[in-house]
Amino acid sequence: AQTVTQSQPEMSVQEAETVTLSCTYDTSENNYYLFWYKQPPSRQMILVIRQEAYKQQNATENRFSVNFQKAAKSFSLKISDSQLGDTAMYFCAFMLFTGNQFYFGTGTSLTVIP
Amino acid sequence: EAGVVQSPRYKIIEKKQPVAFWCNPISGHNTLYWYRQNLGQGPELLIRYENEEAVDDSQLPKDRFSAERLKGVDSTLKIQPAELGDSAVYLCASSLGSGSGANVLTFGAGSRLTVL
Repeated sequence: AQTVTQSQPEMSVQEAETVTLSCTYDTSENNYYLFWYKQPPSRQMILVIRQEAYKQQNATENRFSVNFQKAAKSFSLKISDSQLGDTAMYFCAFMLFTGNQFYFGTGTSLTVIP
Repeated sequence: EAGVVQSPRYKIIEKKQPVAFWCNPISGHNTLYWYRQNLGQGPELLIRYENEEAVDDSQLPKDRFSAERLKGVDSTLKIQPAELGDSAVYLCASSLGSGSGANVLTFGAGSRLTVL
């Protein structure tokens, strides 16, 4: 069975500071993609960053970067220079190469404090 | 390019009434997903289509939920009759389904259902 665990239901960070959201997953497969999605209060979910499991180099996208530890099945998201617009629910997810099924975590609610 | 379009955005109905949600995916996206999202939770898959074929409907409560994707483009999700526990946001998403874009999932804005 494929599972995704986000152990931090809520987090807060001061504007301009750095915050790290945690995610662990479980799969017996070796080839998959990992994602972080953001869902602002307006509720449209958008892709923040993705990582191919076969790549050792951690993905970065402007202020967003990941720490991918394949052996530990860990995939954390670091947000640098936090902005008020980063306030949202963040969902960790992965997809196996062998299918189009996505598995989502329960989310972390991030609040950026001015 | 238009994104994934869903309607209605909001729907309030009384229990035992029927309701339907519509989704138009991104043009060319072969794979379409319907998810249900309860407050404070992650999306849970209801059904996945590859073109017009439902390839994963194991989590769809088939006694009251039905879905169709005629011609492999837009899709409709129906609930009949609705129950109080069906109150949630129903998300539609799509992806190319193959090739380098297969892993990019694009969501619609969702349809928020309230059952009274």
